[in-house]
Amino acid sequence: GAGVSQSPSNKVTEKGKDVELRCDPISGHTALYWYRQSLGQGLEFLIYFQGNSAPDKSGLPSDRFSAERTGGSVSTLTIQRTQQEDSAVYLCASSLVGRGRPSSYNSPLHFGNGTRLTVT
Amino acid sequence: AQSVTQLDSQVPVFEEAPVELRCNYSSSVSVYLFWYVQYPNQGLQLLLKYLSGSTLVKGINGFEAEFNKSQTSFHLRKPSVHISDTAEYFCAVTPMIYNQGGKLIFGQGTELSVKP
Repeated sequence: GAGVSQSPSNKVTEKGKDVELRCDPISGHTALYWYRQSLGQGLEFLIYFQGNSAPDKSGLPSDRFSAERTGGSVSTLTIQRTQQEDSAVYLCASSLVGRGRPSSYNSPLHFGNGTRLTVT
Repeated sequence: AQSVTQLDSQVPVFEEAPVELRCNYSSSVSVYLFWYVQYPNQGLQLLLKYLSGSTLVKGINGFEAEFNKSQTSFHLRKPSVHISDTAEYFCAVTPMIYNQGGKLIFGQGTELSVKP
């Protein structure tokens, strides 16, 4: 079946504009994650959705960042008033289960190819 | 809180030589451990994981890693590398507590460059 799909693959925007990044997880995966990959910074956790539970937003770097997941499937990451330091690759991942169930650790995260965001 | 340190940002090695990519972690609770690989222009994929049992785990493409609890390490090894192993490798942990299950904390990555 299809893997995790992210769109757009590349996005160039001007400083101060808002952007929306989309993630289509693997069908049936209940857990969805957003990470940010910056040069020399590794992968930084942003937000985590699991089923109908309240999302774990502990990694969002500022209130300019928000994410939602509609119908337990597609997720959108929104960055308002973009800054140059927001330039990075934004990665989405999904897994079959999450939230600490023992079986979740046997379900690896499946990553999309990311959206490369450049803020000029 | 958890943190992961990958001690080498870049590791150049010749083809057919052995390689070790180092990973240390810090956590106040027990963790599960993972290695992910990112080939050029591709997404991340799971290489191997340690959940319990034998501390030596084997993954895809001939890689293996050993969990050392006393040294809080999870180093990745391969006895003989190929050009196709050139990629970035990420060590990650997830805490064994209910409300944070599945949330991976990654290291900064090690770029493995295999030369002919």
